[in-house]
Amino acid sequence: DIQMTQSPSTLSASVGDRVTITCRASQSISTWLAWYQQKPGKAPKLLIYKASNLESGVPSRFSGSGSGTEFTLTISSLQPDDFATYYCQQYRTFPPYTFGQGTQLEIE
Amino acid sequence: EVQLVESGGGLVQPGGSLRLSCAASGFTFSLYWMSWVRQAPGKGLEWLANVQQDGSENYCVDSVRGRFTISRDNAKNSLYLQMNSLRAEDTAVYYCARERGTDSSSYYYFDSWGQGTLVTVSS
Repeated sequence: DIQMTQSPSTLSASVGDRVTITCRASQSISTWLAWYQQKPGKAPKLLIYKASNLESGVPSRFSGSGSGTEFTLTISSLQPDDFATYYCQQYRTFPPYTFGQGTQLEIE
Repeated sequence: EVQLVESGGGLVQPGGSLRLSCAASGFTFSLYWMSWVRQAPGKGLEWLANVQQDGSENYCVDSVRGRFTISRDNAKNSLYLQMNSLRAEDTAVYYCARERGTDSSSYYYFDSWGQGTLVTVSS
C-alpha cells in the first residue's frame, strides 16, 4: 500500500496568512493526488485534483503543486472560512486508495 | 446538482449486520465508479471499497474483506454496503462518494460525497 504522510498535523495561523501543507507519498504517484477540505460534522470537499488542478467553484487562493512523492497545498491568504482539516489522497493505485492523516488548520 | 444521500446507519451489537444505502441523483449514476469511505470518531478518512459502473468489478481494503460487500443497482440509482460481523472498531461515519477521472485516464478521485451515516457498534 502507498502510505501518505502530511505535515504538520496541526497548523496555527491568522486571517491573511499564507500557509503551506505538505504531503509525502511512500512511492511515486506521478501527479495522481487530490486535496480535500473537511469542516466539523461535514463531508469532505474536493479542492484540488491531479496535484494542481483547481476544482470548479474553489477559490483561487487555493493552489497545489508537486509530483512524484512530494506535494504541497498552499492557501495564499487565509480567510475565516478556511479553518478546517485538510487531507491529501493518492489515486495512483488501488486497492486501496489512501489518505494522509490530515492537517488541522486552527486560528492562531 | 449531484446529490448522494446515505441511509441505514444506527446502533448494532458486535457481531451484527447492517446494510447501508446511498441514493444518487443529479447525474447518470451508471457511468461512474462509486466508493464507500469511512471516518472513525476524531480520526481520518479510510477508503473501504469501490464498484465499477456495471457492478462487475469491485475492490476493498484488507480490513473489511470477507465482512463487507459493496454492490449497486443502476436501475434504482443506488449504492449499497452490506456489513457483517461488525466490530467496535467499525464505529464510524460512512460516506458514499462518486469517483471521477480527468480526460480519458483510469485514475479517479472523489468529486462528490454524501453527508454520511453513523454506524455505532456497541453492546
